[in-house]
Amino acid sequence: GQQVMQIPQYQHVQEGEDFTTYCNSSTTLSNIQWYKQRPGGHPVFLIQLVKSGEVKKQKRLTFQFGEAKKNSSLHITATQTTDVGTYFCAGVYNNNDMRFGAGTRLTVKP
Amino acid sequence: EADIYQTPRYLVIGTGKKITLECSQTMGHDKMYWYQQDPGMELHLIHYSYGVNSTEKGDLSSESTVSRIRTEHFPLTLESARPSHTSQYLCASRRWTEAFFGQGTRLTVV
Repeated sequence: GQQVMQIPQYQHVQEGEDFTTYCNSSTTLSNIQWYKQRPGGHPVFLIQLVKSGEVKKQKRLTFQFGEAKKNSSLHITATQTTDVGTYFCAGVYNNNDMRFGAGTRLTVKP
Repeated sequence: EADIYQTPRYLVIGTGKKITLECSQTMGHDKMYWYQQDPGMELHLIHYSYGVNSTEKGDLSSESTVSRIRTEHFPLTLESARPSHTSQYLCASRRWTEAFFGQGTRLTVV
């Protein structure tokens, strides 16, 4: 079946350091979405990338979609304690099937 | 606030029982999903639907069934509950982009 690989599984950073998580699919995606989940909560949508090579920014967050529409990354500049949580990518296949990566759990030390 | 509801929120049930987890949304979304997630871990796709009378299997579908008779309703049935089914079950819906999640059902099988 379809599968999205996400690394790293955990990332511990000092406040102010940068953070990046990567996702890769073995097959071409219709689009890719990114979600953030806080402990005890459910995933909350951050952004969707649709076009090949697309780059989107939300304040300190930068999202990229690869040229082949198989990989994506989320980069956070100068992390803050409010960035703590688990970041998931979700690959969408044929506009219907949506598979989540394993998630990257980010902890930020003040 | 997303209009997607799951019941029950918590359920403790004995091994071998048949159970149905309910999910309803009032947003008119055509796509609906069921995921299984242990706390802080990966979301595993169980089943999904892209419209009335359409259902597709995910990676963990072998011990459960779903139906989509109405747009707003997407129940998940476990035919015979086992301790390995102990987990959180998340329902989600979407139209074109953002997936909205319910609050989840935390299931414990004893």
